[in-house]
Amino acid sequence: DIQMTQSPSSLSASVGDRVTITCRASQSISRYLNWYQHKPGEAPNLLIYTASNLKSGVPSRFSGSGSGTDFTLTISSLQPEDFATYYCQHSYITRYIFGQGTKLEIK
Amino acid sequence: EGQLLESGGGLVQPGGSLRLSCAASGFSFSTYPMTWVRRAPGQGLVWVSRISGSGSTADYADTVKGRFTISRDNSQNTLYLQMNSLRVEDTAIYHCARENTASWGSNWFDPWGQGTLVTVSS
Repeated sequence: DIQMTQSPSSLSASVGDRVTITCRASQSISRYLNWYQHKPGEAPNLLIYTASNLKSGVPSRFSGSGSGTDFTLTISSLQPEDFATYYCQHSYITRYIFGQGTKLEIK
Repeated sequence: EGQLLESGGGLVQPGGSLRLSCAASGFSFSTYPMTWVRRAPGQGLVWVSRISGSGSTADYADTVKGRFTISRDNSQNTLYLQMNSLRVEDTAIYHCARENTASWGSNWFDPWGQGTLVTVSS
């Protein structure tokens, strides 16, 4: 199976900060990488698909980049509603694997 | 966009069985593959199983292969997960999600259901 490694595992930041989360695949996955936001008690929410495509309705402060093995999710200016856990997920083969998650907390 | 609503979770003893359901609405259910994802307490999201739109093909994570069976009833717009020989480590919130496929072959999960809690404990 392809392994996905996210970093950092947790992050403290303030409203207005620029935040970057990274995701590394154990082999090349082209651009087959998605990002999700998950808040406790809620359904996970798709943010970015195929590395850099912003889902309709997701604020433009979210962006994704990368290809091959290295990917990033950037939040340009943190808002209070952005404090959550973020996951990357590859779709290169149908045995899908998620990263271990990055918990974004208020500083 | 579509909505998904899981049900069927609960408390079960180790070795027991449970069947989860996921009711879909607002989209053409039979045209989409579907997936189950779980999150154990204090852990991250883990993919469990997927099934094709027709129901003819399915795949499983190694941790549940041989114990869990995914199925669907396209006439009822419902996805199922039959869980047998349950273990304490299967305790988790189970989410269903629709799998979307782009023309270039990329897949992503959207929307998701809120999940149903399965607790395996004696």
